[in-house]
Amino acid sequence: DTEVTQTPKHLVMGMTNKKSLKCEQHMGHRAMYWYKQKAKKPPELMFVYSYEKLSINESVPSRFSPECPNSSLLNLHLHALQPEDSALYLCASSHAAGTVIYGYTFGSGTRLTVV
Amino acid sequence: KNEVEQSPQNLTAQEGEFITINCSYSVGISALHWLQQHPGGGIVSLFMLSSGKKKHGRLIATINIQEKHSSLHITASHPRDSAVYICAPRTGNQFYFGTGTSLTVIP
Repeated sequence: DTEVTQTPKHLVMGMTNKKSLKCEQHMGHRAMYWYKQKAKKPPELMFVYSYEKLSINESVPSRFSPECPNSSLLNLHLHALQPEDSALYLCASSHAAGTVIYGYTFGSGTRLTVV
Repeated sequence: KNEVEQSPQNLTAQEGEFITINCSYSVGISALHWLQQHPGGGIVSLFMLSSGKKKHGRLIATINIQEKHSSLHITASHPRDSAVYICAPRTGNQFYFGTGTSLTVIP
């Protein structure tokens, strides 16, 4: 299995809802990432998990809460989002970076619309 | 922060043309990725480079670490190559994404 699987592919949620995005990989990658991408803009890094521990949090609002329950799974819990949070949310994974350079695999994304 | 510039921002080519997309970045890196994103979302990693040149089918990527510059070439372009191409230099676990080059190949 050489894929990163993201579910759901599309999500519409109200501003008072709680929802979760899921990302799964079975390539033995120990670094996993969440990115947010607005239309016609490059992806923006949100969070990095390395060996199931949060290693980078790019000053993301607390209404986004990441979770890495095991080495294959990465969740992004959403609560009280705003319409401006509507975007494509991309998950990626790689072997953990250190002094060795590894490739990087992206999921196909979850298209989130906040109404 | 690594400032990443891609050129051109938009490119329209006739089928069969040779295409070059350029990427410049401002700080030292450990590797650089070229990514392809089709309309509607998913990103595909085309190349990861830390030196020299790589070739995959009709795609060729080169990097000059000293000059902080990389290029992506597409030979014999085809309409299915139409996509956004993103340069992403990497330092450790941190990627910095270019703004992308939107390529349209016309039959």
